[in-house]
Amino acid sequence: EIVLTQSPGTLSLSPGERATLSCRASQSVSNNYLAWYQQKPGRAPRLLIYGASSRATGIPDRFSGSGSGTDFTLTISRLEPEDFAVYYCHQYGGSPPETFGQGTKVEIK
Amino acid sequence: EVQLVESGGGLVQPGGSLRLSCVASGFSISNSWMGWVRQAPGKGLEWVANIKEDGSEKYYLDSVKGRFSISRDNTKNSLYLQMNSLGVGDTAVYYCVASDQWGQGTLVTVSS
Repeated sequence: EIVLTQSPGTLSLSPGERATLSCRASQSVSNNYLAWYQQKPGRAPRLLIYGASSRATGIPDRFSGSGSGTDFTLTISRLEPEDFAVYYCHQYGGSPPETFGQGTKVEIK
Repeated sequence: EVQLVESGGGLVQPGGSLRLSCVASGFSISNSWMGWVRQAPGKGLEWVANIKEDGSEKYYLDSVKGRFSISRDNTKNSLYLQMNSLGVGDTAVYYCVASDQWGQGTLVTVSS
């Protein structure tokens, strides 16, 4: 099983600032099948990034994903008020089980 | 409008069973792997099971193997999760997932 470790646990930033979220895998993620999700309280997760760096439909270009192998990053170039939420990374497409990171909360400073 | 709608959640006693359903609208599920992801109260996301487009391959989280069964009916554009021998650790919101689409979730509470 691939364990995903996200850091930091909480990120305190102000609107307009840049957010950098990390996701480290315990072994190489097959074909870079790594996704990022945003979740707000009481809502289902929303897909932001798939294949490590491809933005999902309708996702603003301030969200970008990078990385390969075992180290992946989600960057939000300039935080908007609606971006304050919890973010999860997710590896998929390889041998089961699929796994999620424990989440990073981006909160208003 | 593309949508997934889950149903079948509720309160069940330990050892009991529930069957979750998920109906898709606005697209055909026949071309998509589909799955279930759960989220315990105040916790993170946990993949539970998924199933290939034609139902020929199914995979499960170790802790639910032998207790949960995933199935699909492409003619009804629907996904199912039969959950047996439920324990308190299965308490969670269960989400139906197809590609980049998620349902709104259905709450399963296992309690005496």
